[in-house]
Amino acid sequence: EDKVVQSPLSLVVHEGDTVTLNCSYEVTNFRSLLWYKQEKKAPTFLFMLTSSGIEKKSGRLSSILDKKELFSILNITATQTGDSAIYLCAFGGSQGNLIFGKGTKLSVKP
Amino acid sequence: DTGVSQDPRHKITKRGQNVTFRCDPISEHNRLYWYRQTLGQGPEFLTYFQNEAQLEKSRLLSDRFSAERPKGSFSTLEIQRTEQGDSAMYLCASSLQATSGSYEQYFGPGTRLTVT
Repeated sequence: EDKVVQSPLSLVVHEGDTVTLNCSYEVTNFRSLLWYKQEKKAPTFLFMLTSSGIEKKSGRLSSILDKKELFSILNITATQTGDSAIYLCAFGGSQGNLIFGKGTKLSVKP
Repeated sequence: DTGVSQDPRHKITKRGQNVTFRCDPISEHNRLYWYRQTLGQGPEFLTYFQNEAQLEKSRLLSDRFSAERPKGSFSTLEIQRTEQGDSAMYLCASSLQATSGSYEQYFGPGTRLTVT
């Protein structure tokens, strides 16, 4: 059965810290890996990764995929209180649906 | 606003009643997905449409659940004879169909269902 595992499940940091969120997967028919940010509402798209070793970057956020070791990381540098959210990792299956992990709850303290 | 919209945003119903939710996708997107999310979990896939055709249903979708997308635009999700275990956030997402098989799904604000 396809599975996506995120770690840690929760994390508390202070403003200015750098954090790394982990996502590992065991899936068949890999197509893509996606990261979403969820505050008190629906998930907001961050990145989609399909190729190993190519970093995607948006401001203070960056992500990379390792298809050999079956994991991805999401880095956030110089964290701000507005980064507090649940970060979801999802695998894009061949049937079109997304399979999500449980998420990492990030809390950034001022 | 050209994003995904859902209606209603909140629904409180009594056990045994039927409820229907609506989703309007991003207009140029031909794929539409329904997910369910409970506290502490990521969204769980329920079903998806490509245009008006329902192509995939999760085993989570019991026979009390039915979804339609009659004209390939908006979609409805109906739950009959609601149970307390149906209480959750119901999320709709849409995407383009990508020939490479890779696609970004954009989510609506969700409908939060509470069954009392």
